[in-house]
Amino acid sequence: GIQVEQSPPDLILQEGANSTLRCNFSDSVNNLQWFHQNPWGQLINLFYIPSGTKQNGRLSATTVATERYSLLYISSSQTTDSGVYFCAVGFGGYNKLIFGAGTRLAVHP
Amino acid sequence: EAGVAQSPRYKIIEKRQSVAFWCNPISGHATLYWYQQILGQGPKLLIQFQNNGVVDDSQLPKDRFSAERLKGVDSTLKIQPAKLEDSAVYLCASSLQGADTQYFGPGTRLTVL
Repeated sequence: GIQVEQSPPDLILQEGANSTLRCNFSDSVNNLQWFHQNPWGQLINLFYIPSGTKQNGRLSATTVATERYSLLYISSSQTTDSGVYFCAVGFGGYNKLIFGAGTRLAVHP
Repeated sequence: EAGVAQSPRYKIIEKRQSVAFWCNPISGHATLYWYQQILGQGPKLLIQFQNNGVVDDSQLPKDRFSAERLKGVDSTLKIQPAKLEDSAVYLCASSLQGADTQYFGPGTRLTVL
C-alpha cells in the first residue's frame, strides 16, 4: 500500500521562528491534505492541495505531485501553532485517506 | 454552519463490554468516515460511507466492530466485545463527496480496562 512519511517527527521552536514540514508519499495519489491537531485533539483541515502552492495567512503549502512530496511552511510561529501536523494522501475511486505519523510541534514563548 | 457532532466525548468500559458511538455529519455531506486514532499515531480509516452505502471497510475488524448509517445522515459505530487494544480516539469526519476536504468531529476517547 501507499506509504506516507513525515519529517521531522518532532520540532521545538521559539516564538517568531519559521519552519518547514515535509511529507513524502510512495505512489501517485488523487490529492493531499494537511491537518493540524490541537492539544485538545481537534483535527482542523489546513490545506487541500493536490498540486501547486496555496497560502493562508502565515501558513503556506506546496505539493509537487510528480516528485511525490509536499511541504508545509509556518512563518512567524506562535504558541497557538503547537500541536501535531498531519499530511494525508487520498487514493482510489473513493479517495481513501492515508495519514502520516505526524510532526509534533511545540512553540515556546 | 454546524460542524461534525460526536457523542459521547469520553467512555470508560471493561474489556468484553460493548460500546456505541454516534456521529452527525455536516448537513448535506454525502460521505461519512470513521477513523481510529491510537495514541501517538495518525488516524486510520475504519469505514467510509457514501450516502448510506459502505464503500470501504477493509480495515474494520468485522468480528467485533459494526457501523451503520441509516437514511444517509447520522451514523453509529459499535464495538462488541471490546478488547484492551481498542483503547483509542474514534473520530468521525464528513465531506461533500469522497474527493473533497474532510471535516472532523471532536472525537470520542475510549478507554478499555
